[in-house]
Amino acid sequence: DTGVSQNPRHKITKRGQNVTFRCDPISEHNRLYWYRQTLGQGPEFLTYFQNEAQLEKSRLLSDRFSAERPKGSFSTLEIQRTEQGDSAMYLCASSSGQHNEQFFGPGTRLTVL
Amino acid sequence: QKEVEQDPGPLSVPEGAIVSLNCTYSNSAFQYFMWYRQYSRKGPELLMYTYSSGNKEDGRFTAQVDKSSKYISLFIRDSQPSDSATYLCAMIFYNQGGKLIFGQGTELSVKP
Repeated sequence: DTGVSQNPRHKITKRGQNVTFRCDPISEHNRLYWYRQTLGQGPEFLTYFQNEAQLEKSRLLSDRFSAERPKGSFSTLEIQRTEQGDSAMYLCASSSGQHNEQFFGPGTRLTVL
Repeated sequence: QKEVEQDPGPLSVPEGAIVSLNCTYSNSAFQYFMWYRQYSRKGPELLMYTYSSGNKEDGRFTAQVDKSSKYISLFIRDSQPSDSATYLCAMIFYNQGGKLIFGQGTELSVKP
């Protein structure tokens, strides 16, 4: 399978715990995006990498959130001190080229109890 | 006011019907327009990608962009039960790093 992969697919955690998600983009794609989607809403942009450089962060990305993309390959998104409001689907997408068509992974569904 | 407005539905049609899905947007700086299909508890799947005003056809799907009216549409011909999903429109301010701005999504149900 050469698509975008995300792990884990589901995560249940207790409030106050830290969680980390991983995204593996399509291999030749240099751009990687994180989005968050809540029930009944469209995805909302969180942050964006071009190669290993984090070029943009949304105001939605509070100081409890951190994302990395070491060596410009896979990316991780960490949420510290989780809150119930963090419960959502976390989506990763990757793209390359001029037209920036973004291809999404299956998402990680986070439930904070 | 949201940058991208999309009627959430739900929209229910009989099999074989022509489906029309629509989005309006407020900022004329949007340059690229996309339609994604999302099945329940799955990631969005890219269906159509357009840049200029006009129509683009791919099989049973036609995407239409009217930049003067800030209005985009997706038409599905000969709809099938397998088309039942949420359809998301998305747009890009390309000069802002290519982040997608999504509509709320329209939930479509095609009844056999």
